[in-house]
Amino acid sequence: GAGVSQSPRYKVAKRGQDVALRCDPISGHVSLFWYQQALGQGPEFLTYFQNEAQLDKSGLPSDRFFAERPEGSVSTLKIQRTQQEDSAVYLCASSSWGIHTEAFFGQGTRLTVV
Amino acid sequence: EDKVVQSPLYLVVHEGDTVTLNCSYEVTNFRSLLWYKQEKKAPTFLFMLTSSGIEKKSGRLSSILDKKELFSILNITATQTGDSAVYLCVVNSGYALNFGKGTSLLVTP
Repeated sequence: GAGVSQSPRYKVAKRGQDVALRCDPISGHVSLFWYQQALGQGPEFLTYFQNEAQLDKSGLPSDRFFAERPEGSVSTLKIQRTQQEDSAVYLCASSSWGIHTEAFFGQGTRLTVV
Repeated sequence: EDKVVQSPLYLVVHEGDTVTLNCSYEVTNFRSLLWYKQEKKAPTFLFMLTSSGIEKKSGRLSSILDKKELFSILNITATQTGDSAVYLCVVNSGYALNFGKGTSLLVTP
């Protein structure tokens, strides 16, 4: 696609529900990042994929957070048993191979846990 | 621990003013420094800097990197209300992107 696409744009979940957030990166982009952005804050790193390999998941805040990218393209961020503190915008970014390239961001998914 | 510090956090100016946004960093394995403009949700790319002392320009925006002193500045001249946004400084340290907290710029008519 022309850009990074995330869905849904908005998600309201009741506390305790499981949610799944989808990211469609730019076609051919090897690197994929997930970030969590709380209101008024900069994005905080969650996890990084290179193709289908999850090379870094050190930013995932708890074992309720799980991310996958099984075919090296679309990625899903899953949050189990959501809590109110999970309310944030979840941003996905992708970049082509190499570390000297900029990352392109999706519009994000705003998750509100009530 | 890698860190990126932006200043000021908030800035209010009048249209036509010139602003300078600052970004200092301490990261291992520095690769590049990127500036993004964030309106609503998705940050949009402005500049990528990898070499010291080479100014990058795009219209009224310019940026420069000092790898010795570990900082970058983003200048906006003749500001317009459409420049109101959060400006994010991001340092690429290998495969990680380290974000500053951003400078929230408000340009008033």
